[in-house]
Amino acid sequence: GQNIDQPTEMTATEGAIVQINCTYQTSGFNGLFWYQQHAGEAPTFLSYNVLDGLEEKGRFSSFLSRSKGYSYLLLKELQMKDSASYLCAVEDSNYQLIWGAGTKLIIKP
Amino acid sequence: TAGITQAPTSQILAAGRSMTLRCTQDMRHNAMYWYRQDLGLGLRLIHYSNTAGTTGKGEVPDGYSVSRANTDDFPLTLASAVPSQTSVYFCASSPTGEMNTEAFFGQGTRLTVV
Repeated sequence: GQNIDQPTEMTATEGAIVQINCTYQTSGFNGLFWYQQHAGEAPTFLSYNVLDGLEEKGRFSSFLSRSKGYSYLLLKELQMKDSASYLCAVEDSNYQLIWGAGTKLIIKP
Repeated sequence: TAGITQAPTSQILAAGRSMTLRCTQDMRHNAMYWYRQDLGLGLRLIHYSNTAGTTGKGEVPDGYSVSRANTDDFPLTLASAVPSQTSVYFCASSPTGEMNTEAFFGQGTRLTVV
């Protein structure tokens, strides 16, 4: 079967760095997405990786290793507004998105 | 720009009743999707449409139907609601059906079936 694993919840301190991991087992691979979802709101796009390596976008970076079925989202200089759920999703060989359950990130002052 | 709009925002529905969740986008995107989001689970695809006039079944299509008469609208219908359909429903769109592009989500419809 297809499976995306992420930690359920993480806690970090304002100004610090946090890494949210995602491992996947899917039928084929056409790319990996990270979305941010604040409580009660819609998911919004953060990043897309299709090749191995690190993609940096401001305070957020995303890493992919296709051979290991592994990705992480790195958030630097954490701000209170970064408190949200972070969703990992893999596009399989049929171009269907398979979603993880999300990681709820709690930022403390 | 409105982007993608869903209605209603929330609804309480009696079991056995029918209901249509509305979704409209003004970005002229070809592909549209309906997902449900339940606590502890990832988003699950119900139905999708890669272009006006075509639809397809996702991971959890049973009990739901969709239509795509034009580019902008993609309504989701529950013919006879059951309590297990209590969920938050998200409509999304992307420029093409090849999903290696960013998807834009509506604000969601919170549905409670009692």
